[in-house]
Amino acid sequence: AQSVAQPEDQVNVAEGNPLTVKCTYSVSGNPYLFWYVQYPNRGLQFLLKYITGDNLVKGSYGFEAEFNKSQTSFHLKKPSALVSDSALYFCAVGSTGRRALTFGSGTRLQVQP
Amino acid sequence: DVKVTQSSRYLVKRTGEKVFLECVQDMDHENMFWYRQDPGLGLRLIYFSYDVKMKEKGDIPEGYSVSREKKERFSLILESASTNQTSMYLCASSLGQIVYEQYFGPGTRLTVT
Repeated sequence: AQSVAQPEDQVNVAEGNPLTVKCTYSVSGNPYLFWYVQYPNRGLQFLLKYITGDNLVKGSYGFEAEFNKSQTSFHLKKPSALVSDSALYFCAVGSTGRRALTFGSGTRLQVQP
Repeated sequence: DVKVTQSSRYLVKRTGEKVFLECVQDMDHENMFWYRQDPGLGLRLIYFSYDVKMKEKGDIPEGYSVSREKKERFSLILESASTNQTSMYLCASSLGQIVYEQYFGPGTRLTVT
């Protein structure tokens, strides 16, 4: 079985400050980890993924995520938040032999001007 | 760019009606998925398909069925719509047998009255 936890329903940050959106996972074997963003009334957009290799993954719109195997975490980060980053963010996990991803419950990011 | 389209953005149906939601992808992806999205619950997998005429149940298949007669098209069917099926429905596709990122359509907001 695989599962994802996003412990924060909402994260508030001031524009220009660094942001972190947390994600922890549970999976048998090696994880495939993803971050998606959803803007209002839109589908999900792929941001970045970790399959193997470097623990720091860079993605779209200046976002990056850090894979930490010992803590089973894959937190999303950005050095300087923009108001336009305000959206709903989903973490997802997959594993070898299972094509479907398991998504977290989502974290709403609110960036204040 | 991968394009995933869904037949309707908004749909209003009456209890007991049969409802068809259609999804088309243009990138020759093997896998297609149907999710429902509800506040606080994230995305939950209803069904997915890894080939024409092949399907697997997801986490919440009750009350739903699917059809995949052509590789590019995946339909979700609500045999007898109920008010608890009011939700946002998202279709996605991905490439191949390995765990790849999924590409999402814009979603269909279904209201059952």
